[in-house]
Amino acid sequence: DTAVSQTPKYLVTQMGNDKSIKCEQNLGHDTMYWYKQDSKKFLKIMFSYNNKELIINETVPNRFSPKSPDKAHLNLHINSLELGDSAVYFCASSQQGAFSEAFFGQGTRLTVV
Amino acid sequence: AQSVAQPEDQVNVAEGNPLTVKCTYSVSGNPYLFWYVQYPNRGLQFLLKYITGDNLVKGSYGFEAEFNKSQTSFHLKKPSALVSDSALYFCAVRGSASYGNNRLAFGKGNQVVVIP
Repeated sequence: DTAVSQTPKYLVTQMGNDKSIKCEQNLGHDTMYWYKQDSKKFLKIMFSYNNKELIINETVPNRFSPKSPDKAHLNLHINSLELGDSAVYFCASSQQGAFSEAFFGQGTRLTVV
Repeated sequence: AQSVAQPEDQVNVAEGNPLTVKCTYSVSGNPYLFWYVQYPNRGLQFLLKYITGDNLVKGSYGFEAEFNKSQTSFHLKKPSALVSDSALYFCAVRGSASYGNNRLAFGKGNQVVVIP
């Protein structure tokens, strides 16, 4: 069974559209994250939720809105997509605590045309 | 804020030779250090971590890493590289929440190429 799964794996859409990426983890973790990996493979955290509460919100355009309906899910909704949003988006989860490693999903490659 | 430096863009090594991927970090308080590997079109996979205790940490696939507090380094090593080790390697650091730096900060990644 996949520990952290995100859908879709690939997403091609036009500028101005609204899209969502879904993420689910079956590890029983309390904390979930969204990361963005750009074309140079640099990873940057976007959001972090702990027990459905937002605890990290980096400098991300407010077109990006995370939603956590329960501890096992953290979805990412993006409004008015722009060309610069093209990237790979990774969902991850971990147990609470600074010493806990994160488990990553397979990634969603978003291409805005 | 915590940060990680991975000074090399690419590490080339012949199959069977020792592999080292360098990482230095900056964080307030005690560091929690991690190594991850990313294969093409895949997510990051956890390799190993340092929390406390023995400075030499052993992880998955024969990898190990040595924590050096005085040099603020956490280099990843493998005694004998395999072609299948060719991938992108990320070092990451997190501090403790009491210092307000408990976000996981990643380095820019090192591409490892193992030459047959």
